[in-house]
Amino acid sequence: DTEVTQTPKHLVMGMTNKKSLKCEQHMGHRAMYWYKQKAKKPPELMFVYSYEKLSINESVPSRFSPECPNSSLLNLHLHALQPEDSALYLCASSQGRGGRRSGNTIYFGEGSWLTVV
Amino acid sequence: AQKITQTQPGMFVQEKEAVTLDCTYDTSDPSYGLFWYKQPSSGEMIFLIYQGSYDQQNATEGRYSLNFQKARKSANLVISASQLGDSAMYFCAMREPFARNAGNMLTFGGGTRLMVKP
Repeated sequence: DTEVTQTPKHLVMGMTNKKSLKCEQHMGHRAMYWYKQKAKKPPELMFVYSYEKLSINESVPSRFSPECPNSSLLNLHLHALQPEDSALYLCASSQGRGGRRSGNTIYFGEGSWLTVV
Repeated sequence: AQKITQTQPGMFVQEKEAVTLDCTYDTSDPSYGLFWYKQPSSGEMIFLIYQGSYDQQNATEGRYSLNFQKARKSANLVISASQLGDSAMYFCAMREPFARNAGNMLTFGGGTRLMVKP
């Protein structure tokens, strides 16, 4: 079983709704990530939090708003989404900025399947 | 810029046989890490194996081994004794260069769908 937990597993929302995706890890990791994956495509990085601070935003539209309340939690707030935002959203975590000889494996959650109608 | 290439969109393998999934990469950074992940239809991205650019030996994890050929810039995944549960999408990924790396960001290849036949 994955040690990165994402909720909800499935979410259907209208274009005017506000919803949130949640991610939790208890591995003591200090870096957390959001990836977006469209059907039959590889995951694409959206945001990186390092030591609870947003360090990377890959030019993601403002209708996606990340939040890191503490080192174990990562949220993705959704507002005024478009149908093309429908995708699998994957949360991941790792120890942090790894040494050059460390594996620093990135562990993923089960994902949240989002459908925007 | 980094690039990861998986040239096999789909592959079939007979149960109990071995299979090799190809991955080539391109980077100018001398220090990098390569990962393989398995993604079943449920969506979860499952970590399989890791190879560091400075590692002298090929990585192995149970039935998974990584055939790392640094000069050729290839990092092929070998699955021995395939099982029906191995049917899934497999992604090769590279860790971004440390200069830009606030954590351990990954760049993924396009993936290979493996289908195990009974």
